[in-house]
Amino acid sequence: ILNVEQSPQSLHVQEGDSTNFTCSFPSSNFYALHWYRWETAKSPEALFVMTLNGDEKKKGRISATLNTKEGYSYLYIKGSQPEDSATYLCAPNTGTASKLTFGTGTRLQVTL
Amino acid sequence: DGGITQSPKYLFRKEGQNVTLSCEQNLNHDAMYWYRQDPGQGLRLIYYSQIVNDFQKGDIAEGYSVSREKKESFPLTVTSAQKNPTAFYLCASSISGVGNQPQHFGDGTRLSIL
Repeated sequence: ILNVEQSPQSLHVQEGDSTNFTCSFPSSNFYALHWYRWETAKSPEALFVMTLNGDEKKKGRISATLNTKEGYSYLYIKGSQPEDSATYLCAPNTGTASKLTFGTGTRLQVTL
Repeated sequence: DGGITQSPKYLFRKEGQNVTLSCEQNLNHDAMYWYRQDPGQGLRLIYYSQIVNDFQKGDIAEGYSVSREKKESFPLTVTSAQKNPTAFYLCASSISGVGNQPQHFGDGTRLSIL
């Protein structure tokens, strides 16, 4: 089983703050890196799937970067809003089959 | 609306009983997955199926069984051999079983032991 680490474990920011989280994973046999957002009482929702070293993806105020050589990805949220409050999960995939290994997540709380 | 339906939302099992968790999708996805979540741990893969009539063990398959007789259905049976079945179970699907496809999740089933 892959060792996937996410930091910080939790984060509490004020509305309007920008923030970022880290996902670290083994760089060998890398195929893809998934990011999901999991709001309380809802199901996890896919944010990004990244495959190329140096890749950067953006969805509204959320963006992510990928470094496959050193085995890490950053997720950025610009101008956090209360609706961004959720747990953010990363999951690398080694090999072509979709067999994800999830990190424990970063829990973000955004207050007014 | 297209999506994934898991039932029931809450399930209670007596010691020694087998129970089956339902997962149905109308997204026309080829691949389906079962995960388990325990407090303080990431989602762990139990079983996955890349196509009808085929499935593979994930990282924690012991004590579980699955079937994939129809494209839209992937039921998970928690057998009496699973010594610690109390957990939150999530079902997911993706267009194909290739690793660069995002997964779509159901709302989950919480299983507890009476």
